[in-house]
Amino acid sequence: NAGVTQTPKFQVLKTGQSMTLQCAQDMNHEYMSWYRQDPGMGLRLIHYSVGAGITDQGEVPNGYNVSRSTTEDFPLRLLSAAPSQTSVYFCASSRTGEGYTFGSGTRLTVV
Amino acid sequence: GQQVMQIPQYQHVQEGEDFTTYCNSSTTLSNIQWYKQRPGGHPVFLIQLVKSGEVKKQKRLTFQFGEAKKNSSLHITATQTTDVGTYFCAGPSSGGSNYKLTFGKGTLLTVNP
Repeated sequence: NAGVTQTPKFQVLKTGQSMTLQCAQDMNHEYMSWYRQDPGMGLRLIHYSVGAGITDQGEVPNGYNVSRSTTEDFPLRLLSAAPSQTSVYFCASSRTGEGYTFGSGTRLTVV
Repeated sequence: GQQVMQIPQYQHVQEGEDFTTYCNSSTTLSNIQWYKQRPGGHPVFLIQLVKSGEVKKQKRLTFQFGEAKKNSSLHITATQTTDVGTYFCAGPSSGGSNYKLTFGKGTLLTVNP
């Protein structure tokens, strides 16, 4: 039981490049979310999903896309990276009535 | 939209002192969750409170949910260096379900040994 697995752990992108942050969970959780964490800003919700095939926007969705083709996977796509997207990204999963299990995070730098 | 505010933003204590962080929501919450994030780590779920006025304890940690279900607190008795980290509260942004959580900005606790 690996929990929530995020890859990569570190990434440096050039402005304008695109990439996908991977997230997988093996707990059969229906809820999955992506958060970004910036100094002094706490955790801000980017996108979330309540089940396979269902996604919705969170607080800061601009510049990001998600899809949920399976219960296990919830990738986050950066369409055209900008320096403002330099952050730590966390994927998390949960089921109804329980707390979230977070992945170990991806530290992204956009130069 | 819903706002979740935490105070203080930072707290530095001597080992053995007590610590309290407070969480306030702009809306009534169906439940509130608490998380701890160690420096360089990821948030780890501590507890969920559901009932008005509920008090739960985990060893030296005491969690309380306000009677109006708009505020909560986390109290640590006799802090230890292992308590260092940022403590976040979070509440559901949409109805009563936790599929969409709003986090407070957290309280960073440092402990001087």
